Amino acid sequence: GAVVSQHPSWVICKSGTSVKIECRSLDFQATTMFWYRQFPKQSLMLMATSNEGSKATYEQGVEKDKFLINHASLTLSTLTVTSAHPEDSSFYICSASPGLAGDEQFFGPGTRLTVL
Amino acid sequence: DAKTTQPPSMDCAEGRAANLPCNHSTISGNEYVYWYRQIHSQGPQYIIHGLKNNETNEMASLIITEDRKSSTLILPHATLRDTAVYYCIVRGFLGAGSYQLTFGKGTKLSVIP
Repeated sequence: GAVVSQHPSWVICKSGTSVKIECRSLDFQATTMFWYRQFPKQSLMLMATSNEGSKATYEQGVEKDKFLINHASLTLSTLTVTSAHPEDSSFYICSASPGLAGDEQFFGPGTRLTVL
Repeated sequence: DAKTTQPPSMDCAEGRAANLPCNHSTISGNEYVYWYRQIHSQGPQYIIHGLKNNETNEMASLIITEDRKSSTLILPHATLRDTAVYYCIVRGFLGAGSYQLTFGKGTKLSVIP
């Protein structure tokens, strides 16, 4: 099956700093990429949807100026958590889809962010 | 998007078939049923999907009722590695070839030795 990677797999940062998370589709071109957030013992919550070359569409309640998404190519999307605070500590997961009818989303392994 | 209802947890003996039910009574005619699972601290793994016919692959079988209001995921011979949270999702269409998955709480399947 198709492979999606994320980097880093975990990161610890100080409050107030910014953190960038990369999501790559390794063996297919991803027309659409999705970013999710998952708090402990909770389900995945969609944060935003991005199509290559266009601005991301954010879900209600997600601050677009705090969570910057760049889908610069068909194989790479980045999520930057700006001015991170402890409440941003979470498991961030991306997924990618070729975007054709009937195609499934392929998920990355996730990035564990801890903000001190 | 159509909502889904799943039991919060299930146990299954190792080697037995695990049957995970899902209700999606408000599903519309062109919406697919998808199943994913998430092993602790990993990203979700795709299992199977279907529209109206039953489907089978190397991981599982998906049985969809004729009225499409419910489905059952079957793991034919559960192993300890199948212990995970299983999500039944009705995939929503966003337009222009774009789709969205909305995750519910899923079913935590525990496979017992």
